[in-house]
Amino acid sequence: GESVGLHLPTLSVQEGDNSIINCAYSNSASDYFIWYKQESGKGPQFIIDIRSNMDKRQGQRVTVLLNKTVKHLSLQIAATQPGDSAVYFCAENGNFGNEKLTFGTGTRLTIIP
Amino acid sequence: DTAVSQTPKYLVTQMGNDKSIKCEQNLGHDTMYWYKQDSKKFLKIMFSYNNKELIINETVPNRFSPKSPDKAHLNLHINSLELGDSAVYFCASSLRGRAEAFFGQGTRLTVV
Repeated sequence: GESVGLHLPTLSVQEGDNSIINCAYSNSASDYFIWYKQESGKGPQFIIDIRSNMDKRQGQRVTVLLNKTVKHLSLQIAATQPGDSAVYFCAENGNFGNEKLTFGTGTRLTIIP
Repeated sequence: DTAVSQTPKYLVTQMGNDKSIKCEQNLGHDTMYWYKQDSKKFLKIMFSYNNKELIINETVPNRFSPKSPDKAHLNLHINSLELGDSAVYFCASSLRGRAEAFFGQGTRLTVV
């Protein structure tokens, strides 16, 4: 069955360093991926997305890499700041046009001052 | 100016009670969702409505009944609440055909 999972449940990074959060998925038909950030007491917030016809996409301080061969994507956050502390989720949409998102288990990112 | 708003933010109730959570979005979206997040932060879709029509209905007990009076509102009614229903429930919305969903702040439901 389809599933989206993360390699590491927790990650601690020194402020100013770069963070890399990983995600594995099993549905080879997945064609759209989103990274969400969830701060304590809030709902998930869209960070960046990528379609399966791309292998890299950059935003402001964030980069998403997609490796369809091994069904893996990652979120890179450059120069982490205290405000980056949150739980990060990858989510996949198995069929673009069907709005159902399947979420991974989440990685808690803690920024050490 | 909140985009997706849900009420109440916190809900504590006894087993067996019936409760409702309301959701409204002012983004002009035509698709709305309910997600459930358990104590381990796992997020799972429950329902999706497009223009008041149910389009996604995951394996959810029929004690849960969504109602969409119009495309800007999607309420969730839960009958005969059980301890296992304790979770954070998120409402979300998007445009039809786009999976990028915008989430509300969540309703923390505690059943005692």
